[in-house]
Amino acid sequence: KNEVEQSPQNLTAQEGEFITINCSYSVGISALHWLQQHPGGGIVSLFMLSSGKKKHGRLIATINIQEKHSSLHITASHPRDSAVYICAVRWGGNQFYFGTGTSLTVIP
Amino acid sequence: EADIYQTPRYLVIGTGKKITLECSQTMGHDKMYWYQQDPGMELHLIHYSYGVNSTEKGDLSSESTVSRIRTEHFPLTLESARPSHTSQYLCASGSSYEQYFGPGTRLTVT
Repeated sequence: KNEVEQSPQNLTAQEGEFITINCSYSVGISALHWLQQHPGGGIVSLFMLSSGKKKHGRLIATINIQEKHSSLHITASHPRDSAVYICAVRWGGNQFYFGTGTSLTVIP
Repeated sequence: EADIYQTPRYLVIGTGKKITLECSQTMGHDKMYWYQQDPGMELHLIHYSYGVNSTEKGDLSSESTVSRIRTEHFPLTLESARPSHTSQYLCASGSSYEQYFGPGTRLTVT
């Protein structure tokens, strides 16, 4: 059983829309990682956070430690944002545990 | 720009062959990882290392071995490839605050 749950599994949006991807986990964590995987498999690290909020360009990541929940927001979405977005958590040790990903398609 | 390299990028090999997937990073990271990912599925940790001469198995047993003789190099070896090993293998390195991924090796065992 995967203890990192992402929603939605698939998401289609029109260009320009505001997008939210959610990640929930079952136990307390030491860090949460948002990753982007494009077709062909390459993975890019977007954010690693343990509290609060981080922003980079059009991307914003938030985490609520009490609720065991994180969100990734994309403002003014663009077709080049189409990818799989993966949430990974680390609880205690050095291992990360990964969600199954959210597949995002942004239509022009 | 992350400098982590994997070779080969693609490999098709017959059952029973021994193969080594190479991973190198130039960032001086102590922590390195090998993940396995099937299409549309989540990444699973198969091996990790905290530094030279330190290796541990992850949650997924893939009948593979690793070595960490140098900080920058973390090769993964399959002693006898099987069709069930067909997958994508991703190497990563990092610190407590970041993790960088290589481009992956797509392995097909026939």
